[in-house]
Order: sequence, then C-alpha cells, then structure tokens
Amino acid sequence: NAGVTQTPKFRILKIGQSMTLQCTQDMNHNYMYWYRQDPGMGLKLIYYSVGAGITDKGEVPNGYNVSRTTTEDFPLRLELAAPSQTSVYFCASSRYLIGDTIYFGEGSWLTVV
Amino acid sequence: DQQVKQNSPSLSVQEGRISILNCDYTNSMFDYFLWYKKYPAEGPTFLISISSIKDKNEDGRFTVFLNKSAKHLSLHIVPSQPGDSAVYFCAASEANNAGNMLTFGGGTRLMVKP
Repeated sequence: NAGVTQTPKFRILKIGQSMTLQCTQDMNHNYMYWYRQDPGMGLKLIYYSVGAGITDKGEVPNGYNVSRTTTEDFPLRLELAAPSQTSVYFCASSRYLIGDTIYFGEGSWLTVV
Repeated sequence: DQQVKQNSPSLSVQEGRISILNCDYTNSMFDYFLWYKKYPAEGPTFLISISSIKDKNEDGRFTVFLNKSAKHLSLHIVPSQPGDSAVYFCAASEANNAGNMLTFGGGTRLMVKP
C-alpha cells in the first residue's frame, strides 16, 4: 500500500540553492496538494491541483512552483531557497473534493542554512 | 490572524481516562470541521468530522462536539489508550471542501500515560 510517497525525507539546502520535492500517488486521485507545517503552527496550503495540467496557488505560494503533467506526480520546486522555507512539507491527495478523503504523505524535512 | 486555534499545545492523560481536546474558530462561515491525527514521522490521517447541522458525531471511542454559538468544538476520546498519543489537528472549511479550502489549527500533542 504505497499511497502518497514523498522524496526526499530529509534535506539540508544552502541559501540560494534550488531543489525539487517529489510526490507521487498510486490511488488515481484527481486532487493533489502541497502543505507546509512550521513548528507549533497548523498546515498551510502552498499549491494544489485539481487534475493533470491544472494547478493553483494556495495560501503561501511565494518561493515555490509546481507542475502536474501526470495524474500521479505533483513535484514542488523551491527556487532560491531562503531560511524562511525551513519547514516540514506534506504532499497529499484526495479522490473527491471532501476533506474526509485526504491522504497525506509522510513528510519531507527541509532545512535551509 | 489564526482563524482556527488550539490553545493547548499539549495534554497529558492517564490511560483509561477521558481526553478532551479543544478547538476554537473565528470565521462564522466555517460549516465543516475535521480532526486529524499525526504520529511522529508520519503524515496526518483523518480521524472524524462534523457538519454544522449537527452538534455531535460519534465514531467508536471518538466523539466530536460542536457549539456553533461559541464557535467551539472539542474531541473526546474515551477511554484513552497509550496508542492515542499523537498530535491532533483541528481543521475547518466552508462546506465539505478538500485540502484546498481547509484551515488548520496549530495542533495539540496528547500523551496518554500507561
């Protein structure tokens, strides 16, 4: 049962570097999301996608980009990493537009130094 | 401005007793509420939800209560078990929307002592 798979689990970046967080799901879900969670804070939506070829900004999109070329994959790109992007990143997917059906990945811990 | 707040960052309870986790919200347009549970090094998992047309929803040991006039909801776990030790997130949305419309609280860490 793979579900939602994120890579890498841990990464240390230097300020100004770029990287891509990979996310793939094997449940044929239309909807995919990227969240970040800062210490003591709730999850905040970065970007989401309602299907292949369609993406939209969430609450905190600045400094990130996404693409959705296939149903399965939803990579998150960090351009010019900044210390403020130190966070835990969660990818998620859902079959329907209802919150009860969201499946989250295990998270990716990113530190920018 | 946090629209969903969990004012207790942590809670410690004895095994077998009741755990009560609280959540307050400010946006009167919220009408669907969810609780997620998160273990260390794992993603959150959906636990239980409630629509604003109800004031209570029960699923086994878990019950969620909603007080719309007070803009307050709570999650009751009875009896608490050591395996319930996790971080619990409250989330809210306008209608039962998916992740693109959820507003999360900061979480409460529950520790159930054997």
